[in-house]
Amino acid sequence: DVKVTQSSRYLVKRTGEKVFLECVQDMDHENMFWYRQDPGLGLRLIYFSYDVKMKEKGDIPEGYSVSREKKERFSLILESASTNQTSMYLCASSPGTAGAYEQYFGPGTRLTVT
Amino acid sequence: GENVEQHPSTLSVQEGDSAVIKCTYSDSASNYFPWYKQELGKRPQLIIDIRSNVGEKKDQRIAVTLNKTAKHFSLHITETQPEDSAVYFCAASNHGSGYALNFGKGTSLLVTP
Repeated sequence: DVKVTQSSRYLVKRTGEKVFLECVQDMDHENMFWYRQDPGLGLRLIYFSYDVKMKEKGDIPEGYSVSREKKERFSLILESASTNQTSMYLCASSPGTAGAYEQYFGPGTRLTVT
Repeated sequence: GENVEQHPSTLSVQEGDSAVIKCTYSDSASNYFPWYKQELGKRPQLIIDIRSNVGEKKDQRIAVTLNKTAKHFSLHITETQPEDSAVYFCAASNHGSGYALNFGKGTSLLVTP
């Protein structure tokens, strides 16, 4: 059974703080993704990675960076948190092999920036 | 980039009726179209997907149809039950984007007994 975990379910940070959101998957998946989910906007892709140390920008990368030093771990970094980054953050992973496209989501981190 | 439109944003049906959710996409290179169900407070979970070489796929009470020429695909749920109540998201992706998903904005489905 695929398991994707995220370091925190709830997080409260102050404006200007550097924030780290961690995601770990235990199925040796190649691809990992970070989305944010806001009411009425659906899920929007921030960054994704298809290999260790590789990253690609998604639709809304501004204000975020990512790190993938190990295959199983994908970190999202908010360099200087702002109130408009208050959101639900969802991590996902997929096998990355031909024909295996299903993405498996983590439970999400609800981040509040005050 | 890819743009996915989803309609309706809310849908209320009586138990036993059918529900249909429609999505359109803009990128003709898209070739993978999953549907996710998200119950309140839970993570999205894949319920069905379809690839561009297939026009229709069915899994028990759930079916998805794809019209590549018109660039639209639909989710059909028959004999709806209260436990079908959730937010449903369609998505589109392709190999060129590493199969990152472009999601529609979601449809909140309410099935009333």
